[in-house]
Amino acid sequence: GQSLEQPSEVTAVEGAIVQINCTYQTSGFYGLSWYQQHDGGAPTFLSYNALDGLEETGRFSSFLSRSDSYGYLLLQELQMKDSASYFCAVLDGNTGGFKTIFGAGTRLFVKA
Amino acid sequence: NAGVTQTPKFRVLKTGQSMTLLCAQDMNHEYMYWYRQDPGMGLRLIHYSVGEGTTAKGEVPDGYNVSRLKKQNFLLGLESAAPSQTSVYFCATTHWEVEQGNEQFFGPGTRLTVL
Repeated sequence: GQSLEQPSEVTAVEGAIVQINCTYQTSGFYGLSWYQQHDGGAPTFLSYNALDGLEETGRFSSFLSRSDSYGYLLLQELQMKDSASYFCAVLDGNTGGFKTIFGAGTRLFVKA
Repeated sequence: NAGVTQTPKFRVLKTGQSMTLLCAQDMNHEYMYWYRQDPGMGLRLIHYSVGEGTTAKGEVPDGYNVSRLKKQNFLLGLESAAPSQTSVYFCATTHWEVEQGNEQFFGPGTRLTVL
């Protein structure tokens, strides 16, 4: 089966940098995605890593190490609006077509 | 373009009642998914479809059925609702491109309460 582990909560100060880690276990791994979800809203796609290394998109960066089954999302210059839940998700292509399996999410609280 | 829409937005059912949730997309995507999200938990895949006329089971398919008769619509049915099915249901679609990470586009969700 598949499993993903990420911290349940992280708190950081406005303007700071925060890293949200994700470890995964899956047999048909293709890549790791990150999604953001504000309270009451729908998840929105942030980034995707298929290869090892760092991908940067503005204030957000995502990293993947396939050999360690590990990735992280890095948020820089934190703003109050970044307070949300962040989900890592693996793209799994083992059987029956490709599907995305989500972690339980990390709730990020940004304090002034 | 509306993107991904879901109807209804809210619903309250009594135990044993049935209902159908509708997901519609105008993005011409092949893949469609139904997830449920419970408080403090991530999204759990119920069923999905890789194209018109196809469906497959996800992580938590019991108690649900789906149909994909048209490419743009994906229906989720509850034949006999139970309180354990109280949840927020999200539909998502994607164009099959593994290089793009299978980016999923989500509908606004349906909040279902089963009494």
